[in-house]
Amino acid sequence: EDQVTQSPEALRLQEGESSSLNCSYTVSGLRGLFWYRQDPGKGPEFLFTLYSAGEEKEKERLKATLTKKESFLHITAPKPEDSATYLCAVQKKAAGNKLTFGGGTRVLVKP
Amino acid sequence: DTAVSQTPKYLVTQMGNDKSIKCEQNLGHDTMYWYKQDSKKFLKIMFSYNNKELIINETVPNRFSPKSPDKAHLNLHINSLELGDSAVYFCASSQDGYQPQHFGDGTRLSIL
Repeated sequence: EDQVTQSPEALRLQEGESSSLNCSYTVSGLRGLFWYRQDPGKGPEFLFTLYSAGEEKEKERLKATLTKKESFLHITAPKPEDSATYLCAVQKKAAGNKLTFGGGTRVLVKP
Repeated sequence: DTAVSQTPKYLVTQMGNDKSIKCEQNLGHDTMYWYKQDSKKFLKIMFSYNNKELIINETVPNRFSPKSPDKAHLNLHINSLELGDSAVYFCASSQDGYQPQHFGDGTRLSIL
């Protein structure tokens, strides 16, 4: 069965304190791994798609990387506005357009 | 302009009632989805439609019936609501089945 596990569940950071979020996955035939950001009371907002091991994507203070078993979302010098829940999801080659989500990491950045 | 919009934002109702949630996207996407986010924040897909055709039906009770009148709209009708149906329901759309999905802001359903 496909599994996506995110750790830690929650992360408290001081402004400027860099850290990494982990997304471990067990899926046969990965088509893509997606990262989303979700603010309270809002829907998930797309950040990145990664397709193959070794791939990296960057956006402002966020950088996502992918290996054959896990993905990392690195937050460099975070600001309070980076506070959100970060979700990862995997899509299989044989499962059409279905996304399987992890439980998310709640990030709080204190000024 | 809101890309994916859902109505209502909040829905409070009693057990046994029937209710509908509407979703519209103005992105010109071909594929639309319904997800359920439970109290532990896990997002699980319920249905997926491509050009009004049902593609995914993820072991959802048949009390839940999606309807797609055109490719810009995907509504969700729920019969005989139960306490366990309390959750946030998200609509999403994508250009095709493999492009990133864009989400609405959710409908919070509370069953009394």
